[in-house]
Amino acid sequence: DQQVKQNSPSLSVQEGRISILNCDYTNSMFDYFLWYKKYPAEGPTFLISISSIKDKNEDGRFTVFLNKSAKHLSLHIVPSQPGDSAVYFCAASADTGGFKTIFGAGTRLFVKA
Amino acid sequence: DVKVTQSSRYLVKRTGEKVFLECVQDMDHENMFWYRQDPGLGLRLIYFSYDVKMKEKGDIPEGYSVSREKKERFSLILESASTNQTSMYLCASSRMSLAGKNYEQYFGPGTRLTVT
Repeated sequence: DQQVKQNSPSLSVQEGRISILNCDYTNSMFDYFLWYKKYPAEGPTFLISISSIKDKNEDGRFTVFLNKSAKHLSLHIVPSQPGDSAVYFCAASADTGGFKTIFGAGTRLFVKA
Repeated sequence: DVKVTQSSRYLVKRTGEKVFLECVQDMDHENMFWYRQDPGLGLRLIYFSYDVKMKEKGDIPEGYSVSREKKERFSLILESASTNQTSMYLCASSRMSLAGKNYEQYFGPGTRLTVT
């Protein structure tokens, strides 16, 4: 049973346009969410995070939106660049005193020049 | 620059062999993790450790064991490799989580293990 779901395996976007990557979760105890980016032959790298006390967090071209009632978060990349082409993983964790983070299956983003 | 290193990028082993995957971090992080990444399944946690000599099972610990004798090193052991353990193995580390904040994890480059 996947607690964190990324239902789009891939997404293709034109350079300069907005990329929107979506993530749904089922566990209402999750209170901290992260996005990671992964290039081929490299490990994932942290991109941006959001706490459940917020509904938006922005860092340069990257913005994460959290809708707790819908158990949904999204990552917006504006404007998209060819170097953004990678696999993006959504991750969630609960502040239960433990350290477990649950990852989604990932969405592969293609940004066309 | 923070760094997590893994002992091998590619490894080919035979069924039944004992396999050791080593991970070293230079950030003095308390937490260390082992994941495997498979297509369509994302990253699944095998084991994690929040202190030297401490370990906790993740979601898929069967067929694996771990060792953490020093803070900077976390080893994953496949006692008797099987073909269904062919996968990408990723090690990660992070600072100790505080109430309300789960620090991001830093990942190594991964080890592509093939069991034939």
